[in-house]
Amino acid sequence: EAQVTQNPRYLITVTGKKLTVTCSQNMNHEYMSWYRQDPGLGLRQIYYSMNVEVTDKGDVPEGYKVSRKEKRNFPLILESPSPNQTSLYFCASTLIGPRWTEAFFGQGTRLTVV
Amino acid sequence: DQQVKQNSPSLSVQEGRISILNCDYTNSMFDYFLWYKKYPAEGPTFLISISSIKDKNEDGRFTVFLNKSAKHLSLHIVPSQPGDSAVYFCAASKGDNDMRFGAGTRLTVKP
Repeated sequence: EAQVTQNPRYLITVTGKKLTVTCSQNMNHEYMSWYRQDPGLGLRQIYYSMNVEVTDKGDVPEGYKVSRKEKRNFPLILESPSPNQTSLYFCASTLIGPRWTEAFFGQGTRLTVV
Repeated sequence: DQQVKQNSPSLSVQEGRISILNCDYTNSMFDYFLWYKKYPAEGPTFLISISSIKDKNEDGRFTVFLNKSAKHLSLHIVPSQPGDSAVYFCAASKGDNDMRFGAGTRLTVKP
């Protein structure tokens, strides 16, 4: 079954404590990205990756890091989380960047930073 | 700035009637538009799309209309069913990577 798997689904952490949210896809997609969803703002892109070892900033990259060492995995790293990073995060993957008809999203990670 | 706007945070319709969800965009460079549907505790799933060279695309009960001069698109669901109750996101793209989402509209279809 084609899927994008995020872990954990829920996470409560304290300010400054480094954390990683994992994302894995089993569809051999080149393109992966991270979004955060906030009330009234929709989905905003944090980082994206066109392929292994190729990453770039999206609209709201501050405070986040990513890596793409393998095609299937695209972890999101918060080196020093702050309360304004409390949000719902989604990982997505697709075959090719420009046309998102086949974009698959993970189930989301709800992060609370206290 | 929000280049894609969904000005109605919520919409409630009766089962069997038409649901119309609206979306406006500001960037005339957008050339591909999509609607995603999201249920609680799940990620968004692709619903329907339309290229800027068309003004209508239909898929079963779902039809998307694009009015380029008004920079407006809409999603029509006919007939609406209770299972359609979800949050609907409008999205617009202008090439590699650059896809922008609206804030979403929560649709409730009452039996």
